[in-house]
Amino acid sequence: AQSVTQLGSHVSVSEGALVLLRCNYSSSVPPYLFWYVQYPNQGLQLLLKYTTGATLVKGINGFEAEFKKSETSFHLTKPSAHMSDAAEYFCAVSDRGGADGLTFGKGTHLIIQP
Amino acid sequence: GAGVSQSPSNKVTEKGKDVELRCDPISGHTALYWYRQSLGQGLEFLIYFQGNSAPDKSGLPSDRFSAERTGGSVSTLTIQRTQQEDSAVYLCASSYIGVGEQFFGPGTRLTVL
Repeated sequence: AQSVTQLGSHVSVSEGALVLLRCNYSSSVPPYLFWYVQYPNQGLQLLLKYTTGATLVKGINGFEAEFKKSETSFHLTKPSAHMSDAAEYFCAVSDRGGADGLTFGKGTHLIIQP
Repeated sequence: GAGVSQSPSNKVTEKGKDVELRCDPISGHTALYWYRQSLGQGLEFLIYFQGNSAPDKSGLPSDRFSAERTGGSVSTLTIQRTQQEDSAVYLCASSYIGVGEQFFGPGTRLTVL
């Protein structure tokens, strides 16, 4: 069975600073990996996904993530944080190509300091 | 186009009552998923429908939970004899042919008193 670990339930960065949200996964097969964002009182929105091919994946709002098989990681980064990035971020894994229920991490609450 | 819609947005019920939560997926999406989001457990997968195949019920926490999908479109999640620990936000998602991105609805917040 797959699992996802997100290090840090809360991450605080200054506006304009680098954002780094960590995600490690376990999967017995090549995984599909996802990052979702959830703004207050809203549903989840896909930021980016890794399926196959290029390991550096670019998503919406300037976010990107790199799949590192050797480290079983899929960390999310953004070069310069904006106040509007404040939200809950979830990493998720599928080991059936997305054709199954996703396994989510516990989430990381991103706080942007002015 | 319209996204995934869920109703009601909020539901307050008394312990022991049955509740039904509705999900309207994006038109043309053959796969439909139910998840539960709670403070203690995070986001948990409940059940997955794909076309006419038997649903994957592996995430349902007890036999009080059931779901159906009529005509390959609308789905209803039913919780019988609700308990306080059922209080959570229930999220529905759909995807095209069960591959790739899942599109989530806004959720139904269930409160069991």
